Amino acid sequence: SQKIEQNSEALNIQEGKTATLTCNYTNYSPAYLQWYRQDPGRGPVFLLLIRENEKEKRKERLKVTFDTTLKQSLFHITASQPADSATYLCALGHDSGYALNFGKGTSLLVTP
Amino acid sequence: DGGITQSPKYLFRKEGQNVTLSCEQNLNHDAMYWYRQDPGQGLRLIYYSQIVNDFQKGDIAEGYSVSREKKESFPLTVTSAQKNPTAFYLCASTPTGSLTYEQYFGPGTRLTVT
Repeated sequence: SQKIEQNSEALNIQEGKTATLTCNYTNYSPAYLQWYRQDPGRGPVFLLLIRENEKEKRKERLKVTFDTTLKQSLFHITASQPADSATYLCALGHDSGYALNFGKGTSLLVTP
Repeated sequence: DGGITQSPKYLFRKEGQNVTLSCEQNLNHDAMYWYRQDPGQGLRLIYYSQIVNDFQKGDIAEGYSVSREKKESFPLTVTSAQKNPTAFYLCASTPTGSLTYEQYFGPGTRLTVT
């Protein structure tokens, strides 16, 4: 069965450092992968999309990589700030439709 | 002020009662979705609709029902057949032809059934 795994343990890092979150998947061939941010008690907010034929995407302090051989995506936040503290979800999808499969998310805490 | 609204934010019901969660969007999006989120869990797809008067079951549709009579509205009914209805429910939408397949989420409804 399809499985999406994200770091189950919370990631604690110091302000200014780079946070790296992992998303691994099995039994799946996604056409694209997305990352969302979710704050407590709120709906997720879209951050980035990367397609299967792309290796890397950047947006401001965010960088996403996608390795379809390893079946893994890495999500980096450079120069992290306390305001980056949230849960980050990865989601995989197919071009045939818009329904997504979400991972459980990784909680990030950035301390001053 | 465009967006997705869900109401109410908190909902309490007695076991055995059906309850309907509201989801409205004024973004003119064609596709709409309902997810359920349990503590420490990812989002699980309940139902989705890509066009008015059409919808498909997601991974955990049992005990739920939906309707899509208007483009703007996609209400979810949690029936008494749903064994563990207490959860955080999220509605989302996507515009047709989106290049990023971005889903726009509402603020969620937290349902507690006792």
